[in-house]
Amino acid sequence: AQSVTQPDIHITVSEGASLELRCNYSYGATPYLFWYVQSPGQGLQLLLKYFSGDTLVQGIKGFEAEFKRSQSSFNLRKPSVHWSDAAEYFCAVGDGDQFYFGTGTSLTVIP
Amino acid sequence: NAGVTQTPKFQVLKTGQSMTLQCAQDMNHEYMSWYRQDPGMGLRLIHYSVGAGITDQGEVPNGYNVSRSTTEDFPLRLLSAAPSQTSVYFCASSPRRGSYEQYFGPGTRLTVT
Repeated sequence: AQSVTQPDIHITVSEGASLELRCNYSYGATPYLFWYVQSPGQGLQLLLKYFSGDTLVQGIKGFEAEFKRSQSSFNLRKPSVHWSDAAEYFCAVGDGDQFYFGTGTSLTVIP
Repeated sequence: NAGVTQTPKFQVLKTGQSMTLQCAQDMNHEYMSWYRQDPGMGLRLIHYSVGAGITDQGEVPNGYNVSRSTTEDFPLRLLSAAPSQTSVYFCASSPRRGSYEQYFGPGTRLTVT
């Protein structure tokens, strides 16, 4: 089975600082990769996705992610964090009709 | 467009009781799925469907049944609830099968005592 690892359970950043959330995956072929965000008590919302092509993908809310095949990584970045970005972030990999999610990274933003 | 809707929002069951979690989507999506979310474990796929009349098992299917009689609806049934099924359940849909982005419902928080 495929697997997704998010090594950071919790991250705290100051508002205005840059952010990088790490994601590593285990998958034999070219993966379909996703980042989702979950606000407290809500469902998940898609931030961005990678299927093929340009390895730097842009998403909503100013987020971007870079696919690095050599490192099996798909890290999420944002140059300047806003207080409203406080949430839980999930990386996921698609394998045909099945999806595998990481355990999530909880982001706290300090004013 | 209501998107993906789930009912109920909250439910408390006693061990051994049965219930059905409802999920509906109005986007004519081909693919629908059920996940459970547990602390420290992320989301795990329970069952999925690639179209009306077609269902298959995900990563953690034991204790759950599904059916897909229409494109719109994908109910999840717990036949005999166990405390281990205490979780938050999310339904999701996707325009078509094959690892495309999913749209999630708001979730159902289930407690089994």
